[in-house]
Amino acid sequence: AQSVAQPEDQVNVAEGNPLTVKCTYSVSGNPYLFWYVQYPNRGLQFLLKYITGDNLVKGSYGFEAEFNKSQTSFHLKKPSALVSDSALYFCAVRDGGSTLGRLYFGRGTQLTVWP
Amino acid sequence: GAGVSQSPSNKVTEKGKDVELRCDPISGHTALYWYRQSLGQGLEFLIYFQGNSAPDKSGLPSDRFSAERTGGSVSTLTIQRTQQEDSAVYLCASSRIRGSGSNEQYFGPGTRLTVT
Repeated sequence: AQSVAQPEDQVNVAEGNPLTVKCTYSVSGNPYLFWYVQYPNRGLQFLLKYITGDNLVKGSYGFEAEFNKSQTSFHLKKPSALVSDSALYFCAVRDGGSTLGRLYFGRGTQLTVWP
Repeated sequence: GAGVSQSPSNKVTEKGKDVELRCDPISGHTALYWYRQSLGQGLEFLIYFQGNSAPDKSGLPSDRFSAERTGGSVSTLTIQRTQQEDSAVYLCASSRIRGSGSNEQYFGPGTRLTVT
């Protein structure tokens, strides 16, 4: 069975500091991993994905994520946080070997960046 | 280009009434998904359409929920005899499926359903 865990409901960081939003996953086959961001009263926006290749993936708005197979993790990172990064972040996974396209989402992590 | 659109943006209905939620996917996207987001919860998968294949209905919470996709494009999610626990934001997403199916999903703004 596929699942995603985001162990932190909230992450608070000062502007200019590095940020990390954690994600671990469980999947029976090869993982396809995604990060989405949701701003208030908006739908989800795609940030980045890992399918294969380089473990460090770069995405939109300066975000990056590192795939770690041994730790089954896909943590989202940014070297220098902005107040405008404050939003709800979702990690998602699907089994790359499955014909089913549905994603399994974590419960989300609320990121707050204070000035 | 145009993104995924959903209507209505907000819907307030009385318990026991039926509601229909509409999703217009991105043109050319063959896959369409419905999810539900409840307050404080993650995204709950409801149903998935891919081309002409039989839909994956494994996430529908009860037989009061149904969905159809006409002509491979527009989709309608119907909830019959609504209950208060159906109150949530219903999100639609679409993606272009090719090859390994690694393509990301693009989400609409959602329909906020409130059952009173």
